[in-house]
Amino acid sequence: DIQMTQSPSTLSASVGDRITITCRASQSLNTWLAWYQQKPGKAPDLLIYKTSTLETGVPSRFSGSGSGTQFTLTISNLQPDDFATYYCQQYNSYPLTFGGGTKVEIK
Amino acid sequence: DVQLVESGGGLAKPGGSLRLSCAASGFLFTSYGMNWVRQAPGRGLEWVSGITRNSKNIHYADSVRGRFTISRDNAKDSLYLQMDSLRAEDTAVYYCARDWGFGEIYMDVWGKGTTVTVSS
Repeated sequence: DIQMTQSPSTLSASVGDRITITCRASQSLNTWLAWYQQKPGKAPDLLIYKTSTLETGVPSRFSGSGSGTQFTLTISNLQPDDFATYYCQQYNSYPLTFGGGTKVEIK
Repeated sequence: DVQLVESGGGLAKPGGSLRLSCAASGFLFTSYGMNWVRQAPGRGLEWVSGITRNSKNIHYADSVRGRFTISRDNAKDSLYLQMDSLRAEDTAVYYCARDWGFGEIYMDVWGKGTTVTVSS
């Protein structure tokens, strides 16, 4: 199984900041990686797929990059609505696996 | 509107069974793969099982293989998860989610979830 390691697990930031979340895979994913945002008590929302493709309706302050085993999610100009938990997910092979999550908190 | 609505959650005893359902609407159900993803209280997301559009390919997480069975009824636009031999560690919110298939197994539409509690 492919293990997904996200860091940091918690991130404190302020409105307007630029933040980066890292996701590392235990083996190469090519570019088969997605990012989700989840708010408390809600289902996850897809942000990015195939490493860097923004889902329709997702603001352009979100961006993704990487390849192989190292991937990043960047949020520039952090907005109040962005304080949430973020998960990466690999779909290179079954079983599908998620990272442990990164909670973005208000500093 | 594109929508997935889960049902069937509740309280079950260890060793018991539950059957979850997911009703799809607003899109052509037969064009998409479907998945179950769960989230234990205070924990992260865990993919449970997936099924292709024609049910030809089915996959399970190791933690549920042999105990859970995924199925779909394309005539009824519905997805199911039969959960047998339930354990306390199966306690979670269970989400159904669609994927694009053809290798693009990321989940772009999710239901609101149904809660399963396994306790004596």
